[in-house]
Amino acid sequence: GDSVTQMEGPVTLSEEAFLTINCTYTATGYPSLFWYVQYPGEGLQLLLKATKADDKGSNKGFEATYRKETTSFHLEKGSVQVSDSAVYFCALRGASGGTASKLTFGTGTRLQVTL
Amino acid sequence: EAGVAQSPRYKIIEKRQSVAFWCNPISGHATLYWYQQILGQGPKLLIQFQNNGVVDDSQLPKDRFSAERLKGVDSTLKIQPAKLEDSAVYLCASSPEGTYNEQFFGPGTRLTVL
Repeated sequence: GDSVTQMEGPVTLSEEAFLTINCTYTATGYPSLFWYVQYPGEGLQLLLKATKADDKGSNKGFEATYRKETTSFHLEKGSVQVSDSAVYFCALRGASGGTASKLTFGTGTRLQVTL
Repeated sequence: EAGVAQSPRYKIIEKRQSVAFWCNPISGHATLYWYQQILGQGPKLLIQFQNNGVVDDSQLPKDRFSAERLKGVDSTLKIQPAKLEDSAVYLCASSPEGTYNEQFFGPGTRLTVL
């Protein structure tokens, strides 16, 4: 079945540092890929998405590129801020079938940004 | 626009007791999802409704979990009887009609089973 693997956290960075959170997936066909963010005390929010190979999703300074050849969707940001501290989830949605809207999530990576 | 509402936000019960969670999706959203998020893991889909019909409940432990979405609007998830391993955050999400639309999540209900 479909699965998502993300790097374990927590990731601790100083403000303005470069961020990379690795995500790889296993799925048949061409799934859609997502990054969700969960701020303390809040629900999951969609951060960015990519629906086909080589697409780049971007939002709020974060970027991720859908790499079919390496089955990866790594999250990057050039300069993190304290307000980026949250838990980040990589997820995929299957390419076909009656339950195509089902999301499969990774285990999440906690990011802590300090001054 | 109001987001997905869930209640209660927190619940503590003893094992073998019953508990129910409520979700009110975004107005007009046809699809509603319940996810279970155990500490340290990603959310796992329990059940998906399209209007008031079940689309996928393959990962719902049907011996103890039940869910309904009467009238195709709000939904209730029940656990009876609860086990220690049911301790988790229960997330509700909704999306507009259409297979590939974005899912919007509520804040979740944190359940602790003692």
